[in-house]
Amino acid sequence: GAVVSQHPSWVICKSGTSVKIECRSLDFQATTMFWYRQFPKQSLMLMATSNEGSKATYEQGVEKDKFLINHASLTLSTLTVTSAHPEDSSFYICSAGRTGGNQPQHFGDGTRLSIL
Amino acid sequence: QQQVKQSPQSLIVQKGGISIINCAYENTAFDYFPWYQQFPGKGPALLIAIRPDVSEKKEGRFTISFNKSAKQFSLHIMDSQPGDSATYFCAASDGNNRKLIWGLGTSLAVNP
Repeated sequence: GAVVSQHPSWVICKSGTSVKIECRSLDFQATTMFWYRQFPKQSLMLMATSNEGSKATYEQGVEKDKFLINHASLTLSTLTVTSAHPEDSSFYICSAGRTGGNQPQHFGDGTRLSIL
Repeated sequence: QQQVKQSPQSLIVQKGGISIINCAYENTAFDYFPWYQQFPGKGPALLIAIRPDVSEKKEGRFTISFNKSAKQFSLHIMDSQPGDSATYFCAASDGNNRKLIWGLGTSLAVNP
């Protein structure tokens, strides 16, 4: 199978701190990973496309300085929420697919971020 | 502007019944149509996917029906079980982009 691991699964922190979320493809290489945000009872909202070895592509309305993405290797992408505030509280999910064509996207189990 | 429209928003089915969720798309460049199942507090899990060169695909109790001319596709869950109670999302993408365009989701409850 294709396994995507996301860590941490849950984090609570004070307003103003930065939080890093890791997304790893455990048994395959992924040149592209995707970061989503999901509010309760809503669909997934794509935040950015993470490209290995190059800059991420952000969706309209997503602050790139607020949500820093690094994709340093073919198996790891990180999302850092900088100077987090209560409005950043959400469920963040990453996905990855094997390189090439229309390979299925597989998702991590998400990170519940709560900013106090 | 929503490119993938999903209905119904919620669905209640009796155990053993058939659950049907429908999606319609607008972009004729889409060539990949997956369905995902999501349980509370978890990431979406790929259930089944179809490409436009076939009209139906079946995997166990799950079947996708695809109508290219109508730009519609649907998920059928046969013999629905309480364990199928979850939120289901349809999505679509084109081969070049790989970005998934999502439906708004259907909350399915299967009563025992």
